[in-house]
Amino acid sequence: AQSVAQPEDQVNVAEGNPLTVKCTYSVSGNPYLFWYVQYPNRGLQFLLKYITGDNLVKGSYGFEAEFNKSQTSFHLKKPSALVSDSALYFCAVRDIMAGNEKLTFGTGTRLTIIP
Amino acid sequence: GAVVSQHPSWVICKSGTSVKIECRSLDFQATTMFWYRQFPKQSLMLMATSNEGSKATYEQGVEKDKFLINHASLTLSTLTVTSAHPEDSSFYICSASGTGGVSPLHFGNGTRLTVT
Repeated sequence: AQSVAQPEDQVNVAEGNPLTVKCTYSVSGNPYLFWYVQYPNRGLQFLLKYITGDNLVKGSYGFEAEFNKSQTSFHLKKPSALVSDSALYFCAVRDIMAGNEKLTFGTGTRLTIIP
Repeated sequence: GAVVSQHPSWVICKSGTSVKIECRSLDFQATTMFWYRQFPKQSLMLMATSNEGSKATYEQGVEKDKFLINHASLTLSTLTVTSAHPEDSSFYICSASGTGGVSPLHFGNGTRLTVT
């Protein structure tokens, strides 16, 4: 079975500082990994994904994430946080071996950027 | 990019009535769509996988007779909450993937259901 852990319910960062939102995963085979962002009363917006290749993935709005196979992690990062980055962030994994498109989500991390 | 439209964005209904939520893929065909439920300050819970032209696959613990899913075309899936009760009040989100595999899921904007 596949699973995702986001160990931090809440992350607070001062505007202009770098931010990191943590994610670790567990799958039986090779993972497809995704990050999504959710604003209040809205659906999820896709930020970036890791499928294969370069471990550092760049996505929307200046976000990036680093795939670390040995640590089974896929942390989301941004060099300089904006107030508008405040939102709920979800990490998700799809198990390639499962043969379906089902995504398993982490519990989410609420990111608050402090002006 | 791929767009998923979900309607209505919010609905209030009385206990005992049924509510239908529509999910459309606007610029791509989706053989598979997913329905999620999200409780306040919680993650998304997958309710069911909607397959075009066949029966939906429900996750364990989800009542298929209460949450009716129909996926009659490659661009439309519907979720009907039958005989709604206040405990069904929640945020329901649909998603679809155009080509599967490495494609990310694209999400609708969700439907806020309130049962009074």
